[in-house]
Amino acid sequence: AQSVTQLGSHVSVSEGALVLLRCNYSSSVPPYLFWYVQYPNQGLQLLLKYTTGATLVKGINGFEAEFKKSETSFHLTKPSAHMSDAAEYFCAVSEGSNFNKFYFGSGTKLNVKP
Amino acid sequence: NAGVTQTPKFQVLKTGQSMTLQCAQDMNHNSMYWYRQDPGMGLRLIYYSASEGTTDKGEVPNGYNVSRLNKREFSLRLESAAPSQTSVYFCASRNRLGSRGGETQYFGPGTRLLVL
Repeated sequence: AQSVTQLGSHVSVSEGALVLLRCNYSSSVPPYLFWYVQYPNQGLQLLLKYTTGATLVKGINGFEAEFKKSETSFHLTKPSAHMSDAAEYFCAVSEGSNFNKFYFGSGTKLNVKP
Repeated sequence: NAGVTQTPKFQVLKTGQSMTLQCAQDMNHNSMYWYRQDPGMGLRLIYYSASEGTTDKGEVPNGYNVSRLNKREFSLRLESAAPSQTSVYFCASRNRLGSRGGETQYFGPGTRLLVL
């Protein structure tokens, strides 16, 4: 089975600082990779995804992520944090042998300090 | 479009009681999913339905049953609730296209369940 590791359950940055949220996965075949954001008391919304093609993927709200096969990573970045970015972020993988199944990381709560 | 809707939003049960969580989507998606979310554990797949008429177990199916009533609706049933089933439950849908796996899942707002 797949595993998805998000390093750091809580990340705190100052407004305007770089945001870096880490995600590593285990997969023996090329995966499909996703980042979702969850605001308090809401469901998950898609930020961006990697399927095929360009390994640098741009998403909504200024976020981007880079698929690095050699490092089995899909880290999420944003050059300048806004207060509105405070939320919980989840990395997810669609399993290579069964694309019906998704595996989620444990999540990273982003706190943005004024 | 309402997207994915879930009822109820919040429920308190006593140990041993049963209940059904309802989920409906109006996006004509063929695949639907039930997850539970627990602090520090992310989302874990309980059951999924790849298409109307089929259901399969996910990571944590014990204590749950599902019914894909039609293309729109996918319900989750707890036959005899236990405190360990206290969680937030999310339903999701996706338009699964053949062998492709990159389609996005769309999530409902969640059901908060407390089992005493």
